[in-house]
Amino acid sequence: QQQVKQSPQSLIVQKGGIPIINCAYENTAFDYFPWYQQFPGKGPALLIAIRPDVSEKKEGRFTISFNKSAKQFSLHIMDSQPGDSATYFCAASKSEKLVFGQGTRLTINP
Amino acid sequence: DVKVTQSSRYLVKRTGEKVFLECVQDMDHENMFWYRQDPGLGLRLIYFSYDVKMKEKGDIPEGYSVSREKKERFSLILESASTNQTSMYLCASSSPGTGGNEQYFGPGTRLTVT
Repeated sequence: QQQVKQSPQSLIVQKGGIPIINCAYENTAFDYFPWYQQFPGKGPALLIAIRPDVSEKKEGRFTISFNKSAKQFSLHIMDSQPGDSATYFCAASKSEKLVFGQGTRLTINP
Repeated sequence: DVKVTQSSRYLVKRTGEKVFLECVQDMDHENMFWYRQDPGLGLRLIYFSYDVKMKEKGDIPEGYSVSREKKERFSLILESASTNQTSMYLCASSSPGTGGNEQYFGPGTRLTVT
């Protein structure tokens, strides 16, 4: 059972565009929603995270939008750069464990 | 900086072999995790540990076991490797109660079972 569903599986955007990656969850007990970024040959690293008491969080060019009623959250990357090309994972947790989405391979073309 | 290291980046084993994957973290974290990463499936939790000698099954524990004899070290064991265990294995650690449950990952071990 996939508790966190992520889409799209892959995404290609031109430099300066705004890629959007979407996630939907099922368990209403989840109270922490992070996004991880993974470059080739590296382990994932925390990019940005949100708790369900806010609808939006920004850190630099990265924004999480959160819709509690729809049980959905998304990652937006403003002014995307080729260096943002990576695989992105959404996740959700209630306790110490994280449940990850399937991942999105993002390519930013120069 | 938090550092999580894994004993091998690449490993090739034969079907039926016993395989040990080692993970060491240097930040005195209580929690340690083993995941496998497969295309289109994301990261799936195999086992995790909250403390020394403590372990709990994750979502896909079948065919795996773990050992945590010291706080900084968490080992994943494939008792009898099979071809369907060919995958990328990621170790992570975290400190409980940090307010964000951030997990720090190692670089991964790509295991091929032939």
